[in-house]
Amino acid sequence: DAKTTQPTSMDCAEGRAANLPCNHSTISGNEYVYWYRQIHSQGPQYIIHGLKNNETNEMASLIITEDRKSSTLILPHATLRDTAVYYCIVRVANNYGQNFVFGPGTRLSVLP
Amino acid sequence: GAVVSQHPSWVICKSGTSVKIECRSLDFQATTMFWYRQFPKQSLMLMATSNEGSKATYEQGVEKDKFLINHASLTLSTLTVTSAHPEDSSFYICSARVRGRLYNEQFFGPGTRLTVL
Repeated sequence: DAKTTQPTSMDCAEGRAANLPCNHSTISGNEYVYWYRQIHSQGPQYIIHGLKNNETNEMASLIITEDRKSSTLILPHATLRDTAVYYCIVRVANNYGQNFVFGPGTRLSVLP
Repeated sequence: GAVVSQHPSWVICKSGTSVKIECRSLDFQATTMFWYRQFPKQSLMLMATSNEGSKATYEQGVEKDKFLINHASLTLSTLTVTSAHPEDSSFYICSARVRGRLYNEQFFGPGTRLTVL
């Protein structure tokens, strides 16, 4: 699976959009971009995933650049409860037997 | 849907005792379950992968005789920490892959915090 690079930490004002970047310059054509988050002392929570088109769900939007070498997770209206570590993971979709490899992620702090 | 539970949510035990942690997929069948360990301020580290009805595959450096994994059914996997020691104190998290799903998202349990005195 391709390696990802994320900023160590970010701050965001409550109510504003939080834009979390991720670089995955070695991504291959059959690899998807997944985002998870982990709130303190809880298990990781699935947010969204995509291949090349932008995706949106009730939690967030995922913007993937045309060359797929980077992506941005957008939380449109961040709340205090969105404070968490956000993990960007790249992997093949049908890799049934293998796990997700978690890097250090981005620690997002939503400030009142 | 796709809820994974763990029991217990926390446990404190004496050094030398064994502790069993259960991971259940509540509303789906899980062909594969994964066990992770997370130390304070660190990321999740995979310990082992278990497939229903077969032996678990352990990551390098994880002692299979110390961390016993049983995946007896499509909805239950257990991790037993045998002869626990203080250095085994950690946050243990399981995840399950949804059987039949095309995409490979995994769903994680809430974690179990183990403290060994």
